[in-house]
Amino acid sequence: EAGVVQSPRYKIIEKKQPVAFWCNPISGHNTLYWYLQNLGQGPELLIRYENEEAVDDSQLPKDRFSAERLKGVDSTLKIQPAELGDSAVYLCASSLGGQGYTDTQYFGPGTRLTVL
Amino acid sequence: LAKTTQPISMDSYEGQEVNITCSHNNIATNDYITWYQQFPSQGPRFIIQGYKTKVTNEVASLFIPADRKSSTLSLPRVSLSDTAVYYCLVAGGGNKLTFGTGTQLKVEL
Repeated sequence: EAGVVQSPRYKIIEKKQPVAFWCNPISGHNTLYWYLQNLGQGPELLIRYENEEAVDDSQLPKDRFSAERLKGVDSTLKIQPAELGDSAVYLCASSLGGQGYTDTQYFGPGTRLTVL
Repeated sequence: LAKTTQPISMDSYEGQEVNITCSHNNIATNDYITWYQQFPSQGPRFIIQGYKTKVTNEVASLFIPADRKSSTLSLPRVSLSDTAVYYCLVAGGGNKLTFGTGTQLKVEL
């Protein structure tokens, strides 16, 4: 069974440029998460989807970050414009759903963003 | 948010048992405790989850005392491939998803 797929794996951009990350969750998983992970730190939840609905986006910096999950499958996370402090690894995870925050999450390999 | 506290790092040798303790004093009634393992350049991977007492699976055991204010992940007979960062996560009830800084486990020959 294929795991969570993320692309690109690496991205280097200049500050003020836009950037987008794509995630394809495990087939059949209704819940999708986006995390940000800084070096030496644990993942920080940005947004959680239940199917197409963003049920928790309280940690998403909405002035520059946006996300969508059309048709309840793939998801895209966008930053516009990017700032130097956005350099981090962006992780996508999925879970079957139905158990809220206790669901077992399956993570993708992440996208390493470097903002110059 | 549930704040978890773990040792920053631990060292061990192959074949030894490793116990990593996580403190979570403000755990809520409906919160579960979950441990994840993360290798460099990979996303975290689920190890084990529990609510109280003891849970065991093919790779680890999780011990949770009656007051649930801490938990201990036990890895029996570690090998070099167990070198990774281990995260304790408390969530589900009154607390949302908050990973701590994790414990870097280093296993040597």
